[in-house]
Amino acid sequence: NSKVIQTPRYLVKGQGQKAKMRCIPEKGHPVVFWYQQNKNNEFKFLINFQNQEVLQQIDMTEKRFSAECPSNSPCSLEIQSSEAGDSALYLCASSLLGGIEQYFGPGTRLTVL
Amino acid sequence: GDSVTQTEGLVTLTEGLPVMLNCTYQTIYSNPFLFWYVHYLNESPRLLLKSSTDNKRTEHQGFHATLHKSSSSFHLQKSSAQLSDSALYYCAQESGSFNKLTFGAGTRLAVCP
Repeated sequence: NSKVIQTPRYLVKGQGQKAKMRCIPEKGHPVVFWYQQNKNNEFKFLINFQNQEVLQQIDMTEKRFSAECPSNSPCSLEIQSSEAGDSALYLCASSLLGGIEQYFGPGTRLTVL
Repeated sequence: GDSVTQTEGLVTLTEGLPVMLNCTYQTIYSNPFLFWYVHYLNESPRLLLKSSTDNKRTEHQGFHATLHKSSSSFHLQKSSAQLSDSALYYCAQESGSFNKLTFGAGTRLAVCP
């Protein structure tokens, strides 16, 4: 069973508001991924980290999203100015360095009104 | 870029009948890793099967799949569906690009008594 912890489980924001969610990866996993699962259940990769360094991110993430994985603190994903289209389940996953398997948390369900 | 295709959005079966969920992929990499994840409502997506070996059957929890590089396929099968198999099933590939996963659109499996 995955031990990736995500908080909060549910988040409701108005358009234009900031939305911040957190992820604690499995112990010993230095690689963290964020994915967005939209209302059609489609997964989209957003960003990944190795320790505190960004490995890869998509354009959308660069513009309105900010993410970090500080040392000894939870990783976070923040939407600076929420839009209705951001309503989705945000999933965090972690893996070992060079590991193939990713272990997912239960997600944060964001609703933007 | 990489892509994964799952042709069925919804598969409805009667308990006891065989399951086959289709998955094909496209990649420029010669050694992709293919995965099946299962996602139950309000739970974390969980790895079901994985493979990078051509023509070798991999099995777990009654499900099996064989990676066929010649046809770029990794179909999920089970000989007899159970009610508890009702869930969303995602095929995904990792192709060496910082280990991020590319997911198919998902197939909802509904098993009826």
